[in-house]
Amino acid sequence: ETGVTQSPTHLIKTRGQQVTLRCSSQSGHNTVSWYQQALGQGPQFIFQYYREEENGRGNFPPRFSGLQFPNYSSELNVNALELDDSALYLCASTSPNTEAFFGQGTRLTVV
Amino acid sequence: AQRVTQPEKLLSVFKGAPVELKCNYSYSGSPELFWYVQYSRQRLQLLLRHISRESIKGFTADLNKGETSFHLKKPFAQEEDSAMYYCALSGGYQKVTFGTGTKLQVIP
Repeated sequence: ETGVTQSPTHLIKTRGQQVTLRCSSQSGHNTVSWYQQALGQGPQFIFQYYREEENGRGNFPPRFSGLQFPNYSSELNVNALELDDSALYLCASTSPNTEAFFGQGTRLTVV
Repeated sequence: AQRVTQPEKLLSVFKGAPVELKCNYSYSGSPELFWYVQYSRQRLQLLLRHISRESIKGFTADLNKGETSFHLKKPFAQEEDSAMYYCALSGGYQKVTFGTGTKLQVIP
């Protein structure tokens, strides 16, 4: 059983609000990536954090931001929520030359 | 830009029939290719990666750089293979690009 856990599992927010999603990585993994998966789509890369620094970013606006902490856990913050931000948000942790382990995801609904 | 195309949203095969899930990619450098699988009510997990050249659960995938393809194959489908399959490509900065996925349905 993978050690990557995400919280919360489900969340409902109103348009314009801000949200913080959390991810605790697999033990020994120092890299965390975040993905957005809209209904019927594959996961879309948001960004990656390595040793507390952003290390690669996909085509997402600056209102999507993140943090990685010394224990390698991570947060995804989204400001000024829009209806199209409704999706499953996945976190994956990895280290060099190891596979990525995914969390179960957070289902965000923006109304 | 890196792109992954999975042309089939749904692939239905009978148990015991061969399976081929198609994946084509676009990338200017030397990519690393993966197949991920998501079984019902489970999280996304790695099935195989091209650099390891191994067979997992009877599945294999060969990277064809000339055709820019990385099709997933299995000679005899089993019911437990029914799942969502995603082809993925890793380019710079370990950014991973996923395809839209193919749902494999194995009919008993």
